[in-house]
Amino acid sequence: GAGVSQTPSNKVTEKGKYVELRCDPISGHTALYWYRQSLGQGPEFLIYFQGTGAADDSGLPNDRFFAVRPEGSVSTLKIQRTERGDSAVYLCASSRGGISETQYFGPGTRLLVL
Amino acid sequence: EDQVTQSPEALRLQEGESSSLNCSYTVSGLRGLFWYRQDPGKGPEFLFTLYSAGEEKEKERLKATLTKKESFLHITAPKPEDSATYLCAVQAYAGGTSYGKLTFGQGTILTVHP
Repeated sequence: GAGVSQTPSNKVTEKGKYVELRCDPISGHTALYWYRQSLGQGPEFLIYFQGTGAADDSGLPNDRFFAVRPEGSVSTLKIQRTERGDSAVYLCASSRGGISETQYFGPGTRLLVL
Repeated sequence: EDQVTQSPEALRLQEGESSSLNCSYTVSGLRGLFWYRQDPGKGPEFLFTLYSAGEEKEKERLKATLTKKESFLHITAPKPEDSATYLCAVQAYAGGTSYGKLTFGQGTILTVHP
């Protein structure tokens, strides 16, 4: 079946603008994760959903970042008042449900804040 | 706080020249250690999960091993198509609670020359 998909693949925005990044997990996967990867670094955890609820949002850097998963499938990461430091690749991953299940990653959304 | 350190940062090999990548970790309780491969402009691709010291897993030219403090990814007779960034990540388990998030190292950039 299809893997994790993310849209858009690239997003360029201006400082102060609002952006939404979308993730479509693998069909049937109940767990969904968001990570952020800066150039030359490994991915950094942001938030984890089990079903519709955020089970762990300890990685969100501040209150400008928010994520939802209203129907337990597609998720949207929302960034308000973007800053240049938000520029990074935002990765989404999904797993079948158990916490120790393998996480499968999407291709990422490359966000550039000018 | 969970920490993962990978070495070397970059490794250049000739085709057929075997070598190993190191992943040292500090975690409150190890739920699992994961190896991923990441090609430029793409999301991480799952390779292996190791759960307990002494465990080994193999896939083609790759073999992953685990001790209580580190993991090694051994590459036997590499080919140019093995060139990629290899990421190591840990998932913690502490106090009866499993944490879904992965904590990644910064990666090792492997280049295999023909």
